[in-house]
Amino acid sequence: KAGVTQTPRYLIKTRGQQVTLSCSPISGHRSVSWYQQTPGQGLQFLFEYFSETQRNKGNFPGRFSGRQFSNSRSEMNVSTLELGDSALYLCASSLEDGYTFGSGTRLTVV
Amino acid sequence: GESVGLHLPTLSVQEGDNSIINCAYSNSASDYFIWYKQESGKGPQFIIDIRSNMDKRQGQRVTVLLNKTVKHLSLQIAATQPGDSAVYFCAETLNQGGKLIFGQGTELSVKP
Repeated sequence: KAGVTQTPRYLIKTRGQQVTLSCSPISGHRSVSWYQQTPGQGLQFLFEYFSETQRNKGNFPGRFSGRQFSNSRSEMNVSTLELGDSALYLCASSLEDGYTFGSGTRLTVV
Repeated sequence: GESVGLHLPTLSVQEGDNSIINCAYSNSASDYFIWYKQESGKGPQFIIDIRSNMDKRQGQRVTVLLNKTVKHLSLQIAATQPGDSAVYFCAETLNQGGKLIFGQGTELSVKP
């Protein structure tokens, strides 16, 4: 079966712009969570959606937002990009246990 | 954020040896733990998991040990192979809302 699909794989944006990343979970998985990975801070939880509702949120500023659609696909948006937002953004989908990650979107802010 | 990733510890082993990767988790209330392997340019790959009502769980060539008394998790890899070279992360969760808290990671290097 298909895994977790994240698009695009790579993005280059300018400081101040906004960006939208997409995540398609494994078929049947209703939970999608998002993580930011940087060399300095490691993997940090952004937020999680279940059945179109945000169920949990990490300690990130309001510039980071997300949503989930009725088909469980999820998007995250970062507004007013800062240089420090450069990172690998990962999403994971889950049915109950065993969160499965996608390959991530590498965002570079210049 | 809740995950601190500073200088990445490195474990270097000879091919064929056993590897032990350790992790100290943060929350004594965590009830579900996962080990992930991450190769360069890829997302974390699930290796093995364990619930807090267990002390040990075995998979193919891998064993996870959980010591709740000292909040310690370890991953043992038997007969380590060059393909095992990667960064390994432990993650903990209260199994609520998909919020995984990751350890800083350990880089495993396997010498042929």
